[in-house]
Amino acid sequence: QSVLTQPPSASGTPGQRVTISCSGSSSNIGSNTVNWYQQLPGTAPKLLIYSNDQRPSGVPDRFSGSKSGTSASLAISGLQSEDEADYFCAAWDDSLNGHVVFGGGTKLSV
Amino acid sequence: QLQLQESGPRLVKPSETLSLTCTVSGGSISSINSYWGWIRQPPGKGLEWLGGIYYRESTFYNPSLKSRVTISVDTSKNQFSLKLSSVTAADTAFYYCARHRATTISVVDYWGQGTLVTVSS
Repeated sequence: QSVLTQPPSASGTPGQRVTISCSGSSSNIGSNTVNWYQQLPGTAPKLLIYSNDQRPSGVPDRFSGSKSGTSASLAISGLQSEDEADYFCAAWDDSLNGHVVFGGGTKLSV
Repeated sequence: QLQLQESGPRLVKPSETLSLTCTVSGGSISSINSYWGWIRQPPGKGLEWLGGIYYRESTFYNPSLKSRVTISVDTSKNQFSLKLSSVTAADTAFYYCARHRATTISVVDYWGQGTLVTVSS
């Protein structure tokens, strides 16, 4: 059971906009920033969004993040076939001396 | 470009200790901007953070695994290591070493390719 809650799956057609939610609590998302990771099949995860809404160099602006209260969202616009992957949210949790927590992951089908 | 590479036994017997090493190249493990950590992923499942260490040996661990996990750093070899004791089949997973930003430890911006460790007799 993951600390952060994500829907197990999402889907869309090419060109569409999809959103993936991530729900937490006051000790993690409510008081710390959220990061998103993309994991293509058979590869290591890759940082996609950090500090709620920042994109690392090289990440297309089709990907955007937001946070409100104890929830966060990842939006992908202009969906492409290569976006088919698993997406994970993560945050620092202040409880129990502090640790990183992940969502269970959302498998996006295009 | 920073690169991380895991190494260690791919098969561990139940009740024994899993040991992995991560070699960092393209940068110094003594960087004040970095925490170094381990994350695992059972096949077909989600990610689980195991813990992280700063080069001055300040550590954070996943509370659910803290009693079994030890992470250490060897600055002379630019390596850091993971030890997970008393393993069971539930510890079978891909193990990734990773660089965390020191300013925000939950930001993992460099990952190793991962290594599958199987716990089986």
